[in-house]
Amino acid sequence: DQQVKQNSPSLSVQEGRISILNCDYTNSMFDYFLWYKKYPAEGPTFLISISSIKDKNEDGRFTVFLNKSAKHLSLHIVPSQPGDSAVYFCAASGDGNAGNMLTFGGGTRLMVKP
Amino acid sequence: EADIYQTPRYLVIGTGKKITLECSQTMGHDKMYWYQQDPGMELHLIHYSYGVNSTEKGDLSSESTVSRIRTEHFPLTLESARPSHTSQYLCASSGQGAGNSPLHFGNGTRLTVT
Repeated sequence: DQQVKQNSPSLSVQEGRISILNCDYTNSMFDYFLWYKKYPAEGPTFLISISSIKDKNEDGRFTVFLNKSAKHLSLHIVPSQPGDSAVYFCAASGDGNAGNMLTFGGGTRLMVKP
Repeated sequence: EADIYQTPRYLVIGTGKKITLECSQTMGHDKMYWYQQDPGMELHLIHYSYGVNSTEKGDLSSESTVSRIRTEHFPLTLESARPSHTSQYLCASSGQGAGNSPLHFGNGTRLTVT
């Protein structure tokens, strides 16, 4: 049973517009959530994270929102740029140390068109 | 610049061969991990280590084995490769501390067993 789900395998957005990537989870013990970005032929790179004690975390063009009651988080990229085109993975952890036992979603491929 | 190195990047090998995928990190991280990813799918944890002489199996069963004789080195070995082992293998590490210790990934090894 997949505990972290990204139901949209792909998303296409025009440059300058907002990209919204969604992630749902089922395990109520998860308390730390991360987004990773992956280019082809490279390993994932850490993008942004959020603890369950918060409902929003912002870093430049990237904002992550957490809705604990709905077990849902989203990543907003504003404005989207062609260089943002990549696969985005949502991940969740069951304790305060994000390095422990991350459970990943299946990824969403974002394509930002010039 | 990558602080975690995986070799080889690509490997095509025949059935029955023994292979070792190398992973080294220069960050002094105690925790290291091996993930397996098939195209379009989530990353699955197959092995992890919390320090020298510590190795554990992850949530995805794997016929591979690992060793951790030195902090910086975490090789993965397949004694007899099979076509079902064809996948991308990603090595990662993380430091100590709660809350802000995201995984650092290498660029992966794409293995094809013919």
